[in-house]
Amino acid sequence: DAGITQSPRHKVTETGTPVTLRCHQTENHRYMYWYRQDPGHGLRLIHYSYGVKDTDKGEVSDGYSVSRSKTEDFLLTLESATSSQTSVYFCAISESGTSGIRSYEQYFGPGTRLTVT
Amino acid sequence: RKEVEQDPGPFNVPEGATVAFNCTYSNSASQSFFWYRQDCRKEPKLLMSVYSSGNEDGRFTAQLNRASQYISLLIRDSKLSDSATYLCVVNMKGGSARQLTFGSGTQLTVLP
Repeated sequence: DAGITQSPRHKVTETGTPVTLRCHQTENHRYMYWYRQDPGHGLRLIHYSYGVKDTDKGEVSDGYSVSRSKTEDFLLTLESATSSQTSVYFCAISESGTSGIRSYEQYFGPGTRLTVT
Repeated sequence: RKEVEQDPGPFNVPEGATVAFNCTYSNSASQSFFWYRQDCRKEPKLLMSVYSSGNEDGRFTAQLNRASQYISLLIRDSKLSDSATYLCVVNMKGGSARQLTFGSGTQLTVLP
């Protein structure tokens, strides 16, 4: 299994509070991603990173920000949590040193279940 | 229209059965295709990458039809441990962008 951890694994927070989720990898992969998964929607990309301090928006980025100050850590911040952000959040990584289809393969962390009340 | 569409199922099959899942994608420029499996309350895990000529891994066979823009996954001799949700995944943007688009998944239950 790829060395990816996420913290916290579970969190309950109140509307309006800031929340930061952490993804940590030990694989030294260049690319990191944050997804959310909701019933009926599947996995949707929030933000991704293609290097230290290099990030870009995904499909559902409103209300989220990210930071990557080290190769191994990718942080997702909900500036002011809302009930619509109740979801399961997954981090993923992909290799940078391969070519072809292998370069697109993504490996996922165990997820964080976030409930906003 | 969803960018990646799958029959949500559920598919309930007896042990030993052969089951096939199909998936269609909307972007003809897509270059990379995958099947992931996801167990209940777990993270998605890569099952197979799908190559243009089709590929097999044990009991699993994946096929790609670019002309019709669909991907299939065939599972032979189903095991109880195959029970999971199977996600069809496509690199919709093509080229060098590494973003993947996930289908909503097809749920499989293998019955004893």
